[in-house]
Amino acid sequence: GESVGLHLPTLSVQEGDNSIINCAYSNSASDYFIWYKQESGKGPQFIIDIRSNMDKRQGQRVTVLLNKTVKHLSLQIAATQPGDSAVYFCAENIGGTYKYIFGTGTRLKVLA
Amino acid sequence: GAVVSQHPSWVICKSGTSVKIECRSLDFQATTMFWYRQFPKQSLMLMATSNEGSKATYEQGVEKDKFLINHASLTLSTLTVTSAHPEDSSFYICSASSGQGRYEQYFGPGTRLTVT
Repeated sequence: GESVGLHLPTLSVQEGDNSIINCAYSNSASDYFIWYKQESGKGPQFIIDIRSNMDKRQGQRVTVLLNKTVKHLSLQIAATQPGDSAVYFCAENIGGTYKYIFGTGTRLKVLA
Repeated sequence: GAVVSQHPSWVICKSGTSVKIECRSLDFQATTMFWYRQFPKQSLMLMATSNEGSKATYEQGVEKDKFLINHASLTLSTLTVTSAHPEDSSFYICSASSGQGRYEQYFGPGTRLTVT
């Protein structure tokens, strides 16, 4: 179902360190997942995606890991930069539909 | 490519009035558009799915008579918040899909609605 939260968890990392953001998804029928970045007052921006027939996918400075056994998704950001500061959401697509269900989100703060 | 715009970017209205928000796909034809609502420090919650030329499908708990959605063309969907109240104040975000693959979905920049 849809996720609702009263506040966003926050991850603070030093500039240059690696960041790991986690997400638990809800529906075992979901077969496609996306990580989005949302800056304050803006719409979500696509970062990276992964299909359920994969367990890892790499992009530029980002890696997504999928563990279907425990319904867990993670986003790894290498050498975190100040511009990475934002809220990150995972979204799951339920197979056979156009619907995406968003996770609760994590605020990433990069410390100089 | 794949740009989605929203208008207005922010709006303030008085309680009891109606507000219309537009969502446009600028460089592709969107057979399906989605409307989300996002309260401060919360996630995006899907409100409804609209297909061009047909009635929107609303998520459970979303009042269809309060949130009127029209998808009259392949590049435009509108969300009208009728008889707005302060609790309707939120960030409304649309996304659009060309329908060529269910995976791609492009988000608009959002509209901040404040009801006083």
